[in-house]
Amino acid sequence: QKEVEQNSGPLSVPEGAIASLNCTYSDRGSQSFFWYRQYSGKSPELIMFIYSNGDKEDGRFTAQLNKASQYVSLLIRDSQPSDSATYLCAVNRGGGSQGNLIFGKGTKLSVKP
Amino acid sequence: DTEVTQTPKHLVMGMTNKKSLKCEQHMGHRAMYWYKQKAKKPPELMFVYSYEKLSINESVPSRFSPECPNSSLLNLHLHALQPEDSALYLCASSQDGGPSRGAFFGQGTRLTVV
Repeated sequence: QKEVEQNSGPLSVPEGAIASLNCTYSDRGSQSFFWYRQYSGKSPELIMFIYSNGDKEDGRFTAQLNKASQYVSLLIRDSQPSDSATYLCAVNRGGGSQGNLIFGKGTKLSVKP
Repeated sequence: DTEVTQTPKHLVMGMTNKKSLKCEQHMGHRAMYWYKQKAKKPPELMFVYSYEKLSINESVPSRFSPECPNSSLLNLHLHALQPEDSALYLCASSQDGGPSRGAFFGQGTRLTVV
């Protein structure tokens, strides 16, 4: 059974700080990793994907992947109150369908003004 | 157009009703998905359509019946649902094959079964 684990939080950071969100996965053969943001009552929004070990940066967001440790993280620099949401880590389950994902339970982030 | 559009946004139905959820995308994606999300839980995969053919059914009860009329449209037909089926139903689409770039979700249909 493939699993994706996240700390459910809540994670509270002050405005302007760096928020660090972490995720581990059980299937060593997993190839593709995603971070989704979900505001309360809304649908998940894809914010980052990463395939290779190392860092991938997009604006204020940096995704980090360490396949040896089966660990994915998301850093949000200069956190804003508008970043307050639940962040879902997801892993592609393979089989050829790109959107066949297994999600972690999500980490609720609160950015305090 | 990078949107996945779902209708209706909200639906209340009785346990004896028949209703349908609709989803449309115009991104040229050849894979479409139905996910179910209960409150404070992550999305869970229900069905995958690849090139208009059902490729994955995650042991979903037969009271949920998917249909893919063409590569842009996906329906979910509902019949004899139970109150525990109340949830946010999410449609998604993606490219098919190659490295995964993830799924793009519609805004969802919030379903209440009474």
